[in-house]
Amino acid sequence: DAMVIQNPRYQVTQFGKPVTLSCSQTLNHNVMYWYQQKSSQAPKLLFHYYDKDFNNEADTPDNFQSRRPNTSFCFLDIRSPGLGDAAMYLCATSGRQDPEVRHFGDGTRLSIL
Amino acid sequence: KQEVTQIPAALSVPEGENLVLNCSFTDSAIYNLQWFRQDPGKGLTSLLLIQSSQREQTSGRLNASLDKSSGRSTLYIAASQPGDSATYLCAVLGGGSEKLVFGKGTKLTVNP
Repeated sequence: DAMVIQNPRYQVTQFGKPVTLSCSQTLNHNVMYWYQQKSSQAPKLLFHYYDKDFNNEADTPDNFQSRRPNTSFCFLDIRSPGLGDAAMYLCATSGRQDPEVRHFGDGTRLSIL
Repeated sequence: KQEVTQIPAALSVPEGENLVLNCSFTDSAIYNLQWFRQDPGKGLTSLLLIQSSQREQTSGRLNASLDKSSGRSTLYIAASQPGDSATYLCAVLGGGSEKLVFGKGTKLTVNP
């Protein structure tokens, strides 16, 4: 089945140690999104790629970066994680045929020690 | 700036009861409104999508309505089951924007 896959499902890192979260998709969608969701909070858009064009949200901290080496993969890099970055990170995609629909992965829960 | 509010934050009902979840948004210039389900520790599953020109959408025991002018939507769940226990999130896609703005969700517990 075509889908959005996030790896790993759970990630533990140390305070200040860089970490990378991965998202891949088999839907051939042109847009990929990264959301941060803290406990009992609404998912918050960090940034998205429209094809190769990177679109950062104004309030996304500089500590968060993203890479999209090809259509299928998108990475979220946190350069120096702080305790406040512990959250669920959700990847989503949307395609040209149905651009208003978001397809979400199962998320990566990030813990900071 | 679009803001989405969901009331109540949590709801507990006995099995078999019909229930309504509420969502309100501040800017009526939207493309669509979507309802998602989120199980604990999981991602989001799309339930229903209502275009701005539509009034309601139905899928099985779920019915979502949209009143764009008043900035409100409801999700009606008929004959609730324990398997319906989850957090339900409402999100709006703004006109001319790629940004999907979410509410904090309503955590539903259906007791056997």
